[in-house]
Formats: sequence, C-alpha cells, structure tokens
Amino acid sequence: DVKVTQSSRYLVKRTGEKVFLECVQDMDHENMFWYRQDPGLGLRLIYFSYDVKMKEKGDIPEGYSVSREKKERFSLILESASTNQTSMYLCASSLGLAVNEQFFGPGTRLTVL
Amino acid sequence: ILNVEQSPQSLNVQEGDSTNFTCSFPSSNFYALHWYRWETAKSPEALFVMTLNGDEKKKGRISATLNTKEGYSYLYIKGSQPEDSATYLCAFDQTGANNLFFGTGTRLTVIP
Repeated sequence: DVKVTQSSRYLVKRTGEKVFLECVQDMDHENMFWYRQDPGLGLRLIYFSYDVKMKEKGDIPEGYSVSREKKERFSLILESASTNQTSMYLCASSLGLAVNEQFFGPGTRLTVL
Repeated sequence: ILNVEQSPQSLNVQEGDSTNFTCSFPSSNFYALHWYRWETAKSPEALFVMTLNGDEKKKGRISATLNTKEGYSYLYIKGSQPEDSATYLCAFDQTGANNLFFGTGTRLTVIP
C-alpha cells in the first residue's frame, strides 16, 4: 500500500523559530511536492523536487526552503517562522515525469504564535 | 498563477440523489486535469487523471468528463451515499511537469 507520511499532525511554534516539516514516501517516487492549504484558497505549491538534491520553486516559495538528501525524504524548512505561515501543509509524491496522480500525506497543521 | 474555478463551493444532497459539479480551467496549453477526493481528517486521494479532449472516466458511481477546447470538466456522482461526503478538488496541469494548479474545491455533504 502506497504511503506518504509526515512527521507531525499538529505543530505549534513561536515567531522567529526555525521549523522543519518532514515528509517520507515509501514508493520510490521521483517527484515530491510541498503545498499549503488556506481557507478559501486552493492548494498552493511551495516547492517541488524531481530528484535527489534537486529543487524547484513553486508559486509561493518566499519564506521557505527545502532539502532532499535522499530520494524518499523531502523536508520543508521555515527559516524564521511568521504568523502568516500558520497553515495546513501537505506533502505529496508522484512517479516520474509523465502525467501521474499525486499521493498525499495526512498534512501538518502548523500554528505560529 | 492560473485560474482554476470550481462550482458550486458547497452542496448538500439527500442520500440517493445524483449530483454533479464543475471545474473550469484555461483552455490554452492544456496537458492534464486531475480530480481528487479529500475526506475530513484524511489525505486527498486521486480519482481521475484525464488528458484527452472528450475523455470520460468512471470509478464505481463516480464519473468525469473533459472538454479541453472550452476548458471545463464535470464530475458526476450517481446515487450519492453518506460516504461520498468530502471535498472534491480539481487540478490543472499546463505543462506535464506535474506542477498542478488546484481549484478551491466543492464540499459535498450527503444527508442520510
């Protein structure tokens, strides 16, 4: 059974803290993605990666960075968390560069106080 | 950022009713259209990935159609059941690079 896991379901951090959100997939997928979901807005792409050590900016990369040191793991980093980064964060993965469905993790609800 | 619109925003139907909702997307430079179902407290799950104009796909009581020339897709649910209650998301892929632009979703509630 295909699985994408995220390190935390709920997280509370303070303004200015460095925050790491971890995502692991067990399907040997090449592509991995980080999205955020806010009320009234669709899922918005923050960063994605097509391969190890490779990253591409999505639509809203400001304030975030990513790391992909191993194929199965894609980390989202908030260098200095701010209140406007309070959101639901979803990780996804997909196979190869062809058109393929994305498999999503359960999400991390991050609150920045 | 591309404009992907879904309507209605939310919908309440009685168990057994059939229903449908719409996803509109730019008709230029089309590559693929995805549909996902997102149940509360669960992960979004793919329903369909559609690439060809005129495509019709079916999974059980759920089906979808695609019109790339006019830029819309319909999702149909026949004989709605309470377990169909979820938010249905469509996502537009313009380039084939899997960089998806999502609509805001249609929240369906099926009343027993």
